[in-house]
Amino acid sequence: DAGVIQSPRHEVTEMGQEVTLRCKLISGHNSLFWYRQTMMRGLELLIYFNNNVPIDDSGMPEDRFSAKMPNASFSTLKIQPSEPRDSAVYFCASSPGRGGSSYNEQFFGPGTRLTVL
Amino acid sequence: KQEVTQIPAALSVPEGENLVLNCSFTDSAIYNLQWFRQDPGKGLTSLLLIQSSQREQTSGRLNASLDKSSGRSTLYIAASQPGDSATYLCAVRGGGYNKLIFGAGTRLAVHP
Repeated sequence: DAGVIQSPRHEVTEMGQEVTLRCKLISGHNSLFWYRQTMMRGLELLIYFNNNVPIDDSGMPEDRFSAKMPNASFSTLKIQPSEPRDSAVYFCASSPGRGGSSYNEQFFGPGTRLTVL
Repeated sequence: KQEVTQIPAALSVPEGENLVLNCSFTDSAIYNLQWFRQDPGKGLTSLLLIQSSQREQTSGRLNASLDKSSGRSTLYIAASQPGDSATYLCAVRGGGYNKLIFGAGTRLAVHP
């Protein structure tokens, strides 16, 4: 299996533009996590899906951020409008079972490095 | 609120040394603890997962221990190699829908 796939790997955009990050889960996994990593705050969970349903979005910073799972293997994270403080590395991770299960490891994608000018 | 602390923040050792990375957490009600490795500009690679009922897990030269009651975990790396140079992150899962809460990481440099 190719592992978790994220695209694009790098994104540079101007303030105010819409940004869409994409993630493909590992085949057979049904839990999906979006994280953001910055020097100041480290790794933070933004949102978690189980079986395509958002379970916990308390980490989504504000209404400019939205995430969807249009099908069982794919997710998007959208920022509209983007701001310079959104600059970070965004990671997607998937897990093989219910995210609440204590036995499930999370497997991370390579990340998308976002720069908002 | 769960907080995860990793000590030291950075470590530089000569090749061949055995070393210990420390992780502590404030809420002992966890389901599991996971150690990750992150290379510069890369994603996270899962190294070891310890369930709350377990005391340790081993993989090759790596051994992770868990003392849930005291809120501590250690990652032991035997016979370190330059290829071990990376940032090591620990994360605990517990409470609610079991978010992973990460420490800030230990940046390890192993020099020849």
